[in-house]
Amino acid sequence: IVMTQSPATLSVSPGERATLSCRASQSVNVNLAWYQQKPGQAPRLLIYGASTRATGVPARFSGSGSGTEFTLTISSLQSEDFALYYCQQYINWLTFGGGTKVEIK
Amino acid sequence: QLQLQESGPGLVKPSETLSLTCSISGGSISSDNNYWAWIRQPPGKGLEWIGHVYYSGSTFYNSSLKSRVTMSVDTPNNQFSLRLYSVTAEDTAVYFCAVGYSSGWFLYNWGQGTAVTVSS
Repeated sequence: IVMTQSPATLSVSPGERATLSCRASQSVNVNLAWYQQKPGQAPRLLIYGASTRATGVPARFSGSGSGTEFTLTISSLQSEDFALYYCQQYINWLTFGGGTKVEIK
Repeated sequence: QLQLQESGPGLVKPSETLSLTCSISGGSISSDNNYWAWIRQPPGKGLEWIGHVYYSGSTFYNSSLKSRVTMSVDTPNNQFSLRLYSVTAEDTAVYFCAVGYSSGWFLYNWGQGTAVTVSS
């Protein structure tokens, strides 16, 4: 299953909303996770089951979608949220999207 | 809290075998609820699942790497390992170990990663 993320880069001002998209080449139901990765660090699980926040993840992060279309929304960007974000399906082995970089506008 | 730490050589020669170990602290590899995974990230690129192993010894590998990969668990030392055979420059990457729940193949905790370069 191929995972496609868009846009590749998202320029957002602090305090604004960011909306990241992830599309699967075939249905993954809700077997979709989102990760955040900062330079030189390991990815951090944000969302699993398409919409369930992982332990300790702030409420400003929310996930939605099912089937082939998914969205990660960051309601009000904080300085620490500027990072790379990856989606990953886990209905058929594990595959990651190419990532979306959220940068400061 | 469960913590993972990768270890192994940072430089491997072409055609040789890449061997990495992931040491687990704050938890047990013997848990039936978890699986233990390896993921890699080539420089400037995205994430690639290599495979994962269960405490029972069952393994699942990425089909693109399956012919060159072996994963195993070392229960007495609470660690698991990766072996990647016949490496080339395309295997140069940061290698992460990670853990997931058996109920869903997402990865809830990761090691910090270790950089491996394949070069003569």
